[in-house]
Amino acid sequence: QKEVEQNSGPLSVPEGAIASLNCTYSDRGSQSFFWYRQYSGKSPELIMSIYSNGDKEDGRFTAQLNKASQYVSLLIRDSQPSDSATYLCAVISGNQFYFGTGTSLTVIP
Amino acid sequence: DAMVIQNPRYQVTQFGKPVTLSCSQTLNHNVMYWYQQKSSQAPKLLFHYYDKDFNNEADTPDNFQSRRPNTSFCFLDIRSPGLGDAAMYLCAIEGQGEAFFGQGTRLTVV
Repeated sequence: QKEVEQNSGPLSVPEGAIASLNCTYSDRGSQSFFWYRQYSGKSPELIMSIYSNGDKEDGRFTAQLNKASQYVSLLIRDSQPSDSATYLCAVISGNQFYFGTGTSLTVIP
Repeated sequence: DAMVIQNPRYQVTQFGKPVTLSCSQTLNHNVMYWYQQKSSQAPKLLFHYYDKDFNNEADTPDNFQSRRPNTSFCFLDIRSPGLGDAAMYLCAIEGQGEAFFGQGTRLTVV
């Protein structure tokens, strides 16, 4: 069983819409959760980190964590074409850093 | 300012010729990771260090070695690169609940 699972997409949304990205993880003891954005040919860039149940907002981005259900999501409001990228969910579990396979997002102008 | 610096950004090496990639950090975080990422795939963990404690992933080929002479620096040595080792190599640091990547080294094997 994979530690972190994401829907690989691709996910397409029109400009200005809300993009919703989801991730589940297998280790109930995981404590730290991250969303990274990766443009083609570039390294992952940290967008959000979340550690407690609930929502965490930063600009147009909102991370949501539900430890009971073992999922973490990322909402992107007012999506822009520049948000088109692969979004990687990552979890720290047992002192190791696990990535999901990523969700490809395309924002259509 | 960059917190994780990888050198070089691009590396071309000959088949079978040893190559070393370097990573340095400015934050003195305990944990450093090396990942391999091939096109359209998620980063694959090769090794990680917690301080000087070295942890090798079970499926990391013996061809890959790593050194961490001090907190700030970490090296990835590929002893005999094959064509299948062409990839982006990412270094990451983690500490105080945060994790950051370097810009990566794109390795080409000819």
